[in-house]
Amino acid sequence: NAGVTQTPKFQVLKTGQSMTLQCAQDMNHEYMSWYRQDPGMGLRLIHYSVGAGITDQGEVPNGYNVSRSTTEDFPLRLLSAAPSQTSVYFCASSPLMGGYTFGSGTRLTVV
Amino acid sequence: GNSVTQMEGPVTLSEEAFLTINCTYTATGYPSLFWYVQYPGEGLQLLLKATKADDKGSNKGFEATYRKETTSFHLEKGSVQVSDSAVYFCALSSHSGGSYIPTFGRGTSLIVHP
Repeated sequence: NAGVTQTPKFQVLKTGQSMTLQCAQDMNHEYMSWYRQDPGMGLRLIHYSVGAGITDQGEVPNGYNVSRSTTEDFPLRLLSAAPSQTSVYFCASSPLMGGYTFGSGTRLTVV
Repeated sequence: GNSVTQMEGPVTLSEEAFLTINCTYTATGYPSLFWYVQYPGEGLQLLLKATKADDKGSNKGFEATYRKETTSFHLEKGSVQVSDSAVYFCALSSHSGGSYIPTFGRGTSLIVHP
């Protein structure tokens, strides 16, 4: 099993550009989430999904969109990148009440 | 709402020392409890978990016991190695607001010297 696959691993964007961070899991997990990790801030939840067709906002959703058209995929869209969105982004999936499996992360820099 | 509090780091130890990283929680209902580990440049990995009171989770020499009376889930290891240097996150998952999205602590950095 590949687990949770995130692409790209690194990305540099200019302010105002848009892009999509890809996330795919092959474990048939119901739950998928996106987090950002910043120094001293721990993990902050951006958006999550409890199943295909269902998404909801987390702690820091502004500037990001998500969709969940299939169980496997949960892309995160940055609408208009800002320097404040420079961060490491993690996608994770889990079965109901189970532990999360995390992807290896996307390191995003917005200049 | 749910919350997880971890001891502040960094925790600095010599190789073969005993490790304790404290974790306490506040939750509605009956949460499951987890410890994750993050090595430099990588994502988080599930280290161990416990799903009910008095359960002990264990993996790779690490242990944690679910203490409902003290709402704690402290991580312990009897003899740490340099390779254990990482950031450790305590987390809980309980039914809150219609879902089981986990709540994470801020993380505790562990540095082990030879």
